[in-house]
Amino acid sequence: SQQGEEDPQALSIQEGENATMNCSYKTSINNLQWYRQNSGRGLVHLILIRSNEREKHSGRLRVTLDTSKKSSSLLITASRAADTASYFCVGAGGTSYGKLTFGQGTILTVHP
Amino acid sequence: NAGVMQNPRHLVRRRGQEARLRCSPMKGHSHVYWYRQLPEEGLKFMVYLQKENIIDESGMPKERFSAEFPKEGPSILRIQQVVRGDSAAYFCASSPPGGGEGHEQYFGPGTRLTVT
Repeated sequence: SQQGEEDPQALSIQEGENATMNCSYKTSINNLQWYRQNSGRGLVHLILIRSNEREKHSGRLRVTLDTSKKSSSLLITASRAADTASYFCVGAGGTSYGKLTFGQGTILTVHP
Repeated sequence: NAGVMQNPRHLVRRRGQEARLRCSPMKGHSHVYWYRQLPEEGLKFMVYLQKENIIDESGMPKERFSAEFPKEGPSILRIQQVVRGDSAAYFCASSPPGGGEGHEQYFGPGTRLTVT
């Protein structure tokens, strides 16, 4: 896999607002994955978008992928305090044989 | 379907002792990965295993660390002669067959190792 670079590093919003996080990567991928980590806990897989897809939805999550720009975005709509966590993107597949390389992530804080 | 299980959840060892961390993958998953998260840092890949095979150990320290995934039973991450710098959260993840295609990984709750 290759490390994604998330932007911004930190995001603070009020409950009910939307949160948008961006991700850039460097080389070709089979798919791009987003994960969430609540403080000190294991990562939770949120969504996987394949390289031939442009947009994908899952509940309040919307992910876009632009392979020409090597970028992705994660939108969380109607945020909740429980969405407070770190969010990571990872480009996966190809010759990396499974290992995921995590960046520093975006720390999202949702204030009630 | 039970998720990835890790035990113990917390482990305290004195310097010089051995630490054994266990991971049971999700049912039907044949690929196991170990990651380490040092305090205030991101997750770092350590090793990728399939049953009875180490596929990629490029993230494993060259000494004192070893991992196995036997035909029967959980995957084991073993740290010999622990030092304070080994204090970290160790996470295990699993994925279904075909891991090279970039399947999503399912993470366990982690084992928090403290070396005193």
